[in-house]
Formats: sequence, C-alpha cells, structure tokens
Amino acid sequence: AQKITQTQPGMFVQEKEAVTLDCTYDTSDQSYGLFWYKQPSSGEMIFLIYQGSYDEQNATEGRYSLNFQKARKSANLVISASQLGDSAMYFCAMREPSGAGSYQLTFGKGTKLSVIP
Amino acid sequence: DTAVSQTPKYLVTQMGNDKSIKCEQNLGHDTMYWYKQDSKKFLKIMFSYNNKELIINETVPNRFSPKSPDKAHLNLHINSLELGDSAVYFCASSHGIFGTEAFFGQGTRLTVV
Repeated sequence: AQKITQTQPGMFVQEKEAVTLDCTYDTSDQSYGLFWYKQPSSGEMIFLIYQGSYDEQNATEGRYSLNFQKARKSANLVISASQLGDSAMYFCAMREPSGAGSYQLTFGKGTKLSVIP
Repeated sequence: DTAVSQTPKYLVTQMGNDKSIKCEQNLGHDTMYWYKQDSKKFLKIMFSYNNKELIINETVPNRFSPKSPDKAHLNLHINSLELGDSAVYFCASSHGIFGTEAFFGQGTRLTVV
C-alpha cells in the first residue's frame, strides 16, 4: 500500500495565483516528518519545507506553506503568488524510522506543476 | 559550497561494464542514502548508511554495492551493467532520526546502451 499519495499527476496555475498541491500519508508512528521537494527540469532535488508531526504551527518558508491536518493525515503544499520558475515536479515525502537511529524518506509519485503566464 | 555532491552528473556506458558513482557531503551528517529515480520519476530508496554502517538494503540486485569509507562519503559501484539500470541515481544525507531536513545531490543520469 502506498504510504504517500499525491493524487494530482499534473496541475496548471496562472502566474501570480496561489496553488495547493495535495499530499496524504499513512503511518502508525506517532513521531514522523513530512517534506516537500521541488525537482525542476534540470533534475536536482530541492528541499522546500518540513513539518514535524508534533509541530502545532503549520510550517512556512517564504512563498511556501504546508497545510498540515494531522487528523486527516494530509500535508498539502501551498505556493502563493506563483512564478514561472515554480514550474517543476513536486514531491511529498515522509520520514520513517528505519532502525539503528536512522530514518528514510518515502516519496509520493509527484505532481507536475505548470505555471501559465 | 555544495552540500551534497555526486560525480559524474552523466554516465553513458555499455552493457556489461562496471561503473562507480561517487558521493560526498560536507554537512556533518551521519546518515547517507542512495535513491533511484525511474523513467516515471518515482524515487525509491536503495541503501542507507548510518555512521558508515549499512542500515537499509532494499531489494536491489547484488550487482549494486555501496561503499562508505567514512561518514562523509558513500559511493555506489555497479557491476555488469544492464539496460534496466538506466535511471537517475541520487545521493542524499541527513542527520540521524531527528533530522528535519535531508539534502540531495544533483543526481547522476546513468544510461546503459
């Protein structure tokens, strides 16, 4: 079963508008973390934002904010004032413990965001 | 300064060859990973090393062998390359179980012909 679900394979948004990218997760752990990454066409993976399961406030980083709804197990990424440079693949990931004091990130399948001028 | 660097960025090689991808991080992290991104962009973990010790070894052919000479390096050696090994390989690092960030290298696009 998928642990991270991103239901939107592709999305379009008008420049300067806000957009929400969906992410739901499945875990029985009490302590976990949620990450969002951006992968532009150049291929690198850029860390955007992190939300811990015990964080009471939604995480924000500049134009990125994470709408964390713990009871619904969702961690949607909100990008405000979209820019052309936001066009990219966006991946949601969950940190899971993997033993011996380490953890791994499990990724969703990604959402391709296209910003329209 | 690049936090996680991997080389080479592109690698084109013939079937049957042996190749290595190098990864280094200067973040002082104690955990390093190799991920494989397939043609559909799906990222899947291959290996995880914590303090130079193998923690995770997902279902990966034993032609793939990671080597961690120290905490800052995790290299990936691949023997007898096959067409299906063509993918983008990412190295990443983090700080233990409480890490709130994990950084990736720029990726190595491996093409087996």
